[in-house]
Amino acid sequence: QQQVKQSPQSLIVQKGGISIINCAYENTAFDYFPWYQQFPGKGPALLIAIRPDVSEKKEGRFTISFNKSAKQFSLHIMDSQPGDSATYFCAANGDSSYKLIFGSGTRLLVRP
Amino acid sequence: DAGITQSPRHKVTETGTPVTLRCHQTENHRYMYWYRQDPGHGLRLIHYSYGVKDTDKGEVSDGYSVSRSKTEDFLLTLESATSSQTSVYFCAISGLAGGEIQYFGAGTRLSVL
Repeated sequence: QQQVKQSPQSLIVQKGGISIINCAYENTAFDYFPWYQQFPGKGPALLIAIRPDVSEKKEGRFTISFNKSAKQFSLHIMDSQPGDSATYFCAANGDSSYKLIFGSGTRLLVRP
Repeated sequence: DAGITQSPRHKVTETGTPVTLRCHQTENHRYMYWYRQDPGHGLRLIHYSYGVKDTDKGEVSDGYSVSRSKTEDFLLTLESATSSQTSVYFCAISGLAGGEIQYFGAGTRLSVL
């Protein structure tokens, strides 16, 4: 119940395309769902986050779609750029507000 | 990296030796975390701290101990390193209401031979 399942493990997209990464969770008590972006040799950094009271949140080319009934959320990267090539992690708050449970990560490669 | 310094950045050690990794923050954040990152497993929480001398276990705490004697420092110790502890270790901090935004250090790459 404490897991967050992420797919796909890797993704290759052409420049200008849409990248979609999916996550699913079991515990309905989760109420905060962030996405982190990690470049090689760096630590993860918060990209965008959503709470279950909204179905979508958009920041620039990045959008989170949230489906509370299906217990799924996804990250959409519109007009993907080579600079978006990174590893993306979804997460959810765990059994307390100050802990996060991370998905297994998706390595995104955007080809020029 | 949000005022977080991890040291060392790289370390190679031998099986059975003790290893201590240090995380130092200048943000005066209450919460500090140690994660390990392995391919296919994402980030897994080892231990965390919610104040000076207040620590608790995460999901993969076996073989690790931590200490926090000052707000700014959080130490991770491998008492007797094993090859299965070869990994990249990340420290993270959060403040205010808690872990809703965690800021990560640059990581320590540890190889246990």
